[in-house]
Amino acid sequence: GAVVSQHPSWVICKSGTSVKIECRSLDFQATTMFWYRQFPKQSLMLMATSNEGSKATYEQGVEKDKFLINHASLTLSTLTVTSAHPEDSSFYICSASKGDLSEQYFGPGTRLTVT
Amino acid sequence: DAKTTQPPSMDCAEGRAANLPCNHSTISGNEYVYWYRQIHSQGPQYIIHGLKNNETNEMASLIITEDRKSSTLILPHATLRDTAVYYCIVREYNDYKLSFGAGTTVTVRA
Repeated sequence: GAVVSQHPSWVICKSGTSVKIECRSLDFQATTMFWYRQFPKQSLMLMATSNEGSKATYEQGVEKDKFLINHASLTLSTLTVTSAHPEDSSFYICSASKGDLSEQYFGPGTRLTVT
Repeated sequence: DAKTTQPPSMDCAEGRAANLPCNHSTISGNEYVYWYRQIHSQGPQYIIHGLKNNETNEMASLIITEDRKSSTLILPHATLRDTAVYYCIVREYNDYKLSFGAGTTVTVRA
């Protein structure tokens, strides 16, 4: 159990457009979901934490108006990159926790390329 | 947060045990040691965690020194599919933040 999926697995978009990435917990209810970003040859950096039904908490330096996070249900969180620019090209990874936050289950990641 | 130090890379032979060290000299009493790995272009995968006792599961063993200032992840019989970046992370049990460092890039060679 504890499977997390992401859709799409990769996306190419033009500069100035918005793109939405979905993160789903397939076999459990995720009270908390996390979004990470990973640039090439670098480690994962936490962007934000979202709890179902409430506003996301963003890490320092992450623009909340650019990276819109919605956690509308216990199995779905979405990350929308608004007005994407080439520097937003990255590997975006979500994770989910069942409730006690002791363990995070990671999705397979979404490769975003902005041209 | 306690910080960890890992070697940047290591090679190991297929079928042999891989021993991955991690130093966490400033770990506090209520912080656990977690290990994750990330295969290229995939999300991280949980491996194991422990507080002070040695732990074993189907993937690996975790050996924590008595003073808890260091630990070793053991992959008992490395396979080519174990080639990945391995991250050692210390955190409190219910602290949601996972601080990923640079990790150790493990390459298993045939």
